[in-house]
Amino acid sequence: GESVGLHLPTLSVQEGDNSIINCAYSNSASDYFIWYKQESGKGPQFIIDIRSNMDKRQGQRVTVLLNKTVKHLSLQIAATQPGDSAVYFCAENVSRNTGKLIFGQGTTLQVKP
Amino acid sequence: NAGVTQTPKFQVLKTGQSMTLQCAQDMNHNSMYWYRQDPGMGLRLIYYSASEGTTDKGEVPNGYNVSRLNKREFSLRLESAAPSQTSVYFCASRVQKWNREVDGYTFGSGTRLTVV
Repeated sequence: GESVGLHLPTLSVQEGDNSIINCAYSNSASDYFIWYKQESGKGPQFIIDIRSNMDKRQGQRVTVLLNKTVKHLSLQIAATQPGDSAVYFCAENVSRNTGKLIFGQGTTLQVKP
Repeated sequence: NAGVTQTPKFQVLKTGQSMTLQCAQDMNHNSMYWYRQDPGMGLRLIYYSASEGTTDKGEVPNGYNVSRLNKREFSLRLESAAPSQTSVYFCASRVQKWNREVDGYTFGSGTRLTVV
């Protein structure tokens, strides 16, 4: 069935290190993927997205990699800062017409000073 | 430009009571969505409205109804609240591009609902 999952529930990194958060998806027809950041008590905040015709996209301090062969998505955060501490979700678009998203369960990123 | 506004932010209901969660967006977006988020979990789609005048069920629609009042507003109604509906509810919107490409969504800040 359709599902998006994250490999690790919690990731703890040292400030200044790079972080990698992983995501597996099961719907090979999904053509659009988004990473969200959610801080405590707030709604999901868009970080970066990628379409299925790409395998890499870079933003400010963040990079998303897409491997369609193994249906794997990752979010790389460079020089992780305390302000990056949050829950990160990947989401896949399963229907271009409706825009429906399927979310993973989330990975909590803890940044140690 | 406020984005997506949800009201109320917090609500406590007794089992069996009814209430409506309000959502409004000022970005002229076509599509609107209601998600729920339970502790330690990702968001699950309840209902959505791909365009004004249409609504469809998502993954977990039971116990809810929706109304797309106009292009700006999309409300979620609980007719008879149950403890299992205790959750945080998020409304989201997105624009439908001419080539039907999906783009990032804008989420509201959520409504924390407790049913006792």
